[in-house]
Amino acid sequence: QSALTQPPSASGSPGQSVTISCTGTSSDVGGYNYVSWYQQHPGKAPKLMIYEVSKRPSGVPDRFSGSKSGNTASLTVSGLQAEDEADYYCSSHAGSNNPYVFGTGTKVTVL
Amino acid sequence: QGQLVQSGAEVKKPGASVKVSCKASGYTFTSYYLHWVRQAPGQGLEWMGWINPNSGATNYAQKFQGWVTMTRDTSISTVYMELSRLTSDDTAVYYCARGPGRYLFDYWGQGTLVTVSS
Repeated sequence: QSALTQPPSASGSPGQSVTISCTGTSSDVGGYNYVSWYQQHPGKAPKLMIYEVSKRPSGVPDRFSGSKSGNTASLTVSGLQAEDEADYYCSSHAGSNNPYVFGTGTKVTVL
Repeated sequence: QGQLVQSGAEVKKPGASVKVSCKASGYTFTSYYLHWVRQAPGQGLEWMGWINPNSGATNYAQKFQGWVTMTRDTSISTVYMELSRLTSDDTAVYYCARGPGRYLFDYWGQGTLVTVSS
């Protein structure tokens, strides 16, 4: 099972929006509404930001939103803040033989 | 509020085994699966498998079948991940993470760096 494809980097100025894509296939992203997004600061553990494509856990700012179209999921961070600078990983269910597959990761830089 | 606390960093020689622990607190230990995810230096995340702390049942990613073993000790709310026949490719940070269902991980341990070097 190959990793989901994400752009290596994305950037935006404070207050702007940035959108990260996560491209898979009909066997993973396109086949299930079980896409999650994780934020990881350097040297820290990942943190759940979005689950089931567009749901936010308690405590995650509503500046973070998720969506999906076909085999591509997206994470949008609106109103960028300095603390949003981090690596972001998507994850999807990919069937019983490979329940969890992660994306390649995107480094978000706040200019 | 769940918390997962992992054991400290390890340095191992090629061919050796490593056993990493993950102690859970703040929730009912047997109610949630616990997963292991690893991250090689500068690389992405890789799911290794899960253990059901209630029954001890496990499910390993195909890549790790035959050389990873996940166990638990319910008396101390702790799960273990043992990886055998280590090579330099196994140098990574190993995370435990709680899986409340719906294919997500809501709480993560702080990570354990395993370095494999001769």
